[in-house]
Amino acid sequence: QTVVTQEPSFSVSPGGTVTLTCGLTSVSVSTSYYPSWYQRTPGQAPRTLIYNTNTRSSGVPDRFSGSILGNKAALTITGAQADDESDYYCLLYMGGGINWAFGGGTKLTVL
Amino acid sequence: EVQLVETGGGLIQPGGSLRLSCAASGFTVSSYSMSWVRQAPGKGLEWVSFIYSTGGTYYADSVKGRFTISRDNSKNTLYLQMNGLGAGDTAVYYCARAGGFWSFDLWGRGTLVTVSS
Repeated sequence: QTVVTQEPSFSVSPGGTVTLTCGLTSVSVSTSYYPSWYQRTPGQAPRTLIYNTNTRSSGVPDRFSGSILGNKAALTITGAQADDESDYYCLLYMGGGINWAFGGGTKLTVL
Repeated sequence: EVQLVETGGGLIQPGGSLRLSCAASGFTVSSYSMSWVRQAPGKGLEWVSFIYSTGGTYYADSVKGRFTISRDNSKNTLYLQMNGLGAGDTAVYYCARAGGFWSFDLWGRGTLVTVSS
């Protein structure tokens, strides 16, 4: 069974840059998986950040960017702010009918 | 305001049934494909079910045969009928609107389902 992998946790200093990644255990992530990224803050609805690998969702600041780095999808946050402290999930469209897989999420700490 | 509001969660005994509702405002549910996603305590997000705007339905293997997704266009509401519930179904259930390129562009705040005796 293919598993979507993310770093369990990451830490970044205020104003710093951090890149979170999203991989697959058996194959490389490509644009064909249409990677998207979501921010989940407790008590709030999940927020869509990036879709189709690198397209920012409406209202998302340009310090959030998506890409493919090597064999993984990546979410880069430039100029991290305190309210970026949250859980970040990637989502891959697995095809083969209608089927999606989320990564396990990365808990980002800004300190 | 464009939003989704889930209701219907609660405490249910193993083997029981529950129906979740997701009321949409600011847009027409029938014009969009919609999905349910859940998050078990301490775990990550898990895609559960999907309904095309044209009506086709799909399910994760973990819920296939037990859950049914549907919508009532007159009430602008999405539903998830859950039968044969087990402890593994304990989670916060979110409804989400499908956006472009196999993503989800609008989410509700979720409703908690707890399966326990």
